[in-house]
Amino acid sequence: GAVVSQHPSWVICKSGTSVKIECRSLDFQATTMFWYRQFPKQSLMLMATSNEGSKATYEQGVEKDKFLINHASLTLSTLTVTSAHPEDSSFYICSARAGGLGDTQYFGPGTRLTVL
Amino acid sequence: ELKVEQNPLFLSMQEGKNYTIYCNYSTTSDRLYWYRQDPGKSLESLFVLLSNGAVKQEGRLMASLDTKARLSTLHITAAVHDLSATYFCALQGAQKLVFGQGTRLTINP
Repeated sequence: GAVVSQHPSWVICKSGTSVKIECRSLDFQATTMFWYRQFPKQSLMLMATSNEGSKATYEQGVEKDKFLINHASLTLSTLTVTSAHPEDSSFYICSARAGGLGDTQYFGPGTRLTVL
Repeated sequence: ELKVEQNPLFLSMQEGKNYTIYCNYSTTSDRLYWYRQDPGKSLESLFVLLSNGAVKQEGRLMASLDTKARLSTLHITAAVHDLSATYFCALQGAQKLVFGQGTRLTINP
């Protein structure tokens, strides 16, 4: 099956710093990528949807100035958590889809962010 | 608004027993997914169900879909400890996947 990678797999940072997480589709071109956040013992919450070459669409309640998403190529999307605070500590998971709604989303392995 | 609800949210069972996880949803959709998540890990795709009456089986897990009842089930047969995980169903909505709350399954020896 299709493979999606994330980097880094975990990161610890100080409060106030920015952290960038990369999501790559390794063997297919992803027209759409999704970013999710998952707090402990909870379900996945969609943060934003990004299409290659266009601005991301953020879900209600997600601060677009805090969570910067770039989808500059068909194989790479990045999520930058700006001025991170302890409440941003979470498990961030990306997924990628090659085509339209009928296509499967493939999930990355996740990135665990801990903000001290 | 599309809503997906799983039942039960927590399930503790003995090895060798059978049990079913239920996934109800509020509106029609083209496809329903089941995923497994181990602690600290991302999602592992188990099944995708596309049509009414669809049934898929892999090992001790069997998933079915009843679009008229807006219900999917994940049945576990003769559970073994290795199946302990959190299981999510997710429905393809107009723009995005909508996830259920997850069912945390613990299988005791």
